[in-house]
Order: sequence, then C-alpha cells, then structure tokens
Amino acid sequence: DVKVTQSSRYLVKRTGEKVFLECVQDMDHENMFWYRQDPGLGLRLIYFSYDVKMKEKGDIPEGYSVSREKKERFSLILESASTNQTSMYLCATGRGTEAFFGQGTRLTVV
Amino acid sequence: TQLLEQSPQFLSIQEGENLTVYCNSSSVFSSLQWYRQEPGEGPVLLVTVVTGGEVKKLKRLTFQFGDARKDSSLHITAAQPGDTGLYLCAGAFSPQDWDFNKFYFGSGTKLNVKP
Repeated sequence: DVKVTQSSRYLVKRTGEKVFLECVQDMDHENMFWYRQDPGLGLRLIYFSYDVKMKEKGDIPEGYSVSREKKERFSLILESASTNQTSMYLCATGRGTEAFFGQGTRLTVV
Repeated sequence: TQLLEQSPQFLSIQEGENLTVYCNSSSVFSSLQWYRQEPGEGPVLLVTVVTGGEVKKLKRLTFQFGDARKDSSLHITAAQPGDTGLYLCAGAFSPQDWDFNKFYFGSGTKLNVKP
C-alpha cells in the first residue's frame, strides 16, 4: 500500500509565524502535490512538484512556497501565516490516473 | 481554472434508499475519478473512468461517464450508514495534466445515511 504521511494532524499557529508542513511518501512517485480544502470550495491546488527540486504553481500559490530536496519529501511553507490560511491541508502523490492522499493537517492560525 | 460542479451539495437519506450524485464540467475530461473522504481523513480513490459512456460497478456503487466526457454520475443502491462521507469527483482535462496527475476537484457531495 502507498503510504503518504503528513507530519501533524492538527496545528495551531500565530499570525505572522513561519509554518512548515511536511509530507513523506514511500512509493517512489515523481509527482507530489499540496492542496487546501475549505467547505464549499473543494480541494484547490497550491503547488505541485514533478521531480526533485522542481516545482510548479497551482491555482492558489500566494502566501505559500514549497521545497523538495528529496524525492520522498515535499514541504509546504507558509512564509507569514495569516488567519485566511486556516484550512485543511492535504498532501498527495500521483501515478497514472490515481492520487494518493495523506490524512491531512488541520491548521488554525490565530 | 477548470470548474467541476457537483450536485447536490448535501444529501441526507435513510438506510436502504437509493441516491445519485452528479459531476459536471463545461470542458471535456481526459479522465475522471471519484473519491470518498471520511471526516478527518484524506480522500480515497473509488474509481477512474476514461472512455465516454463507460459504466463501472463497485459493489453497490455504479459510476457512469457521459458519452461526451463532460459529466459523470455516481449511483448508490440501498445506501448504508457506512457510505456516509464526502464524495468528490476529480478530473484531468489534458494529457499533460494526466501525465502530471494534475487533477481538478469538485467541491463534493456530503452524504449522510441515517440508520
């Protein structure tokens, strides 16, 4: 089974903090993704990466950056957290026509 | 941004009832997937459809892909409380999106099946 592991299930951070969300996959997939999920808006793609050190902006990259130094690890960085970044964050890997998701990180910015 | 519309947004039914949820787009899908997400978890793939008119069955779930590949439906027969969850459709709109697994997601149908 593919395993996608996100470092935290729940996080509470203060406005202005730099926040790191970590994701690790064990299936040697090239493609990795970060989505955020908000009620009524579905999953929106923040960034994706198709190889080590390669990254592409998704639909809502503002306020975020990413890092992929190793194939199995893809990090999402909130440079200066704001309350409108309170959300559920989902990491995924992909192969073929399937995406495999982590369990999600529910981030609250206060 | 590609737009996928799902309906209904919410559905609350009694155990044993049948239901259908829909996913529509103004663009043609290269492929379309249905996922189910339970509270506090990430989405899990149920099925992928690729060919227009395709019908796939997964136990009591029947998935249909429209002939023009712009819409899909998910039908559940004799719903059970274990079917409760958020049902998401996701699609790729170009071969390049498919190659990169770059999928666009609908906002989902939240299903509650009451015992």
